[in-house]
Amino acid sequence: DADVTQTPRNRITKTGKRIMLECSQTKGHDRMYWYRQDPGLGLRLIYYSFDVKDINKGEISDGYSVSRQAQAKFSLSLESAIPNQTALYFCATSGLAGAGELFFGEGSRLTVL
Amino acid sequence: QKEVEQNSGPLSVPEGAIASLNCTYSDRGSQSFFWYRQYSGKSPELIMSIYSNGDKEDGRFTAQLNKASQYVSLLIRDSQPSDSATYLCAVPGSQGNLIFGKGTKLSVKP
Repeated sequence: DADVTQTPRNRITKTGKRIMLECSQTKGHDRMYWYRQDPGLGLRLIYYSFDVKDINKGEISDGYSVSRQAQAKFSLSLESAIPNQTALYFCATSGLAGAGELFFGEGSRLTVL
Repeated sequence: QKEVEQNSGPLSVPEGAIASLNCTYSDRGSQSFFWYRQYSGKSPELIMSIYSNGDKEDGRFTAQLNKASQYVSLLIRDSQPSDSATYLCAVPGSQGNLIFGKGTKLSVKP
C-alpha cells in the first residue's frame, strides 16, 4: 500500500459542484501539503499544514479550502468548482522542517466541465 | 517570491550519452537544492539533494551547484531509456514548502 494515499484518483464534475479530495498518510509526518500541477505551470502550492491546529494558505489558495482532520488526514475542498480548476492535484508530506524531501501521493486528476 | 527557472525541453539524447539538465534560481540566500524526477502520469520523487558548492555524485547522477552564479545542474551519465521523464528543480520556500521549477522533459532514445 502507498504511504500517501489520495482519493479519488480521477473525478469528472460539473461547474458549481462541491468536490472534496482526500489524503491520508501512514508515514507519521506532521507536515502535509496540497499542490496542483498544470501543463506549463509546474507544481504550485495551494495549502499546507504543519500540524492539526496549523493551516496556512499557499500561493494559489483562492477557491479552495482544507481541513486537517487528524495528523494523518488532510482534505482539499473546492466549494464551487470552475473549469480552470481542472488540474492534477498532489498531496505531499514531509517529516522535517526544511528537509526538502516531500513524499507525494499518486495524484488526483480533476476535470471540471 | 522565489523563482526557479528551467528549460522546458524536450531534451533528447541518445542512449549512453550524458544528459545535462540546468536550473537557475532567484534567491541568492537559498541554501539547499533538490532534483525530483517525475515519470509521465506519476508523482514526483526525490533523486538528489545538494547543499554545498561543487559536485555531488550518486551512481550515474551528479548534481552541480554554483551559488555565485545561482545555478544548479543535474548530469545523468550513460543515459538509459528508463531515465526518460520530467526533471524538476526545487528550492525551499519561505513557507516551509518547496518551490518547483516547471521541469525539463528528458527523452532518451534507444
